[in-house]
Amino acid sequence: SQTIHQWPATLVQPVGSPLSLECTVEGTSNPNLYWYRQAAGRGLQLLFYSVGIGQISSEVPQNLSASRPQDRQFILSSKKLLLSDSGFYLCAWETQRNTEAFFGQGTRLTVV
Amino acid sequence: AQSVSQHNHHVILSEAASLELGCNYSYGGTVNLFWYVQYPGQHLQLLLKYFSGDPLVKGIKGFEAEFIKSKFSFNLRKPSVQWSDTAEYFCAVISTSGTYKYIFGTGTRLKVLA
Repeated sequence: SQTIHQWPATLVQPVGSPLSLECTVEGTSNPNLYWYRQAAGRGLQLLFYSVGIGQISSEVPQNLSASRPQDRQFILSSKKLLLSDSGFYLCAWETQRNTEAFFGQGTRLTVV
Repeated sequence: AQSVSQHNHHVILSEAASLELGCNYSYGGTVNLFWYVQYPGQHLQLLLKYFSGDPLVKGIKGFEAEFIKSKFSFNLRKPSVQWSDTAEYFCAVISTSGTYKYIFGTGTRLKVLA
């Protein structure tokens, strides 16, 4: 069966420090991968999506970037965190048949 | 641009009341439509989905949704809610024409009073 792993679950980082959140999927190949930020009253804001290795589409201009170095690995990064980067980040995958999305456990990021 | 609107941000109902949550999407092509639910402290999970065929789809736990193409709507309904339906509900859309953007609405927080 397919599973998705996202870590860490919580993270506290100082302003100006780098960020790396990792997401891996098991049990499937060539998934579409997504990074979302969830905020109260704003739903799930799509940040990045990827349809293949090295293929990244950015939805919102911001201080973050994403990479997909392997088929089932999706990384969310920042060189210098801002206070406004605090939030709850979710990774998700779905098959390339545009069907159900499956979510990781999420990462609560607090920038201090 | 592809977008999803959920009109109700907070809904409070008593048990046994009927529920309808609105969802409208904006996209010129063909889409697949979804409702997800997030119970307190849990992951998002799929409630129901529409790909094609009968526009009235039934999901888990007695939920159903109706796709009205002319109105670009996919409203969620349940005839009689229970306290355990307290959760946040998200409508989502993905185009079938290859843009691969899985877009979610802002969510509706439902609280059911026992």
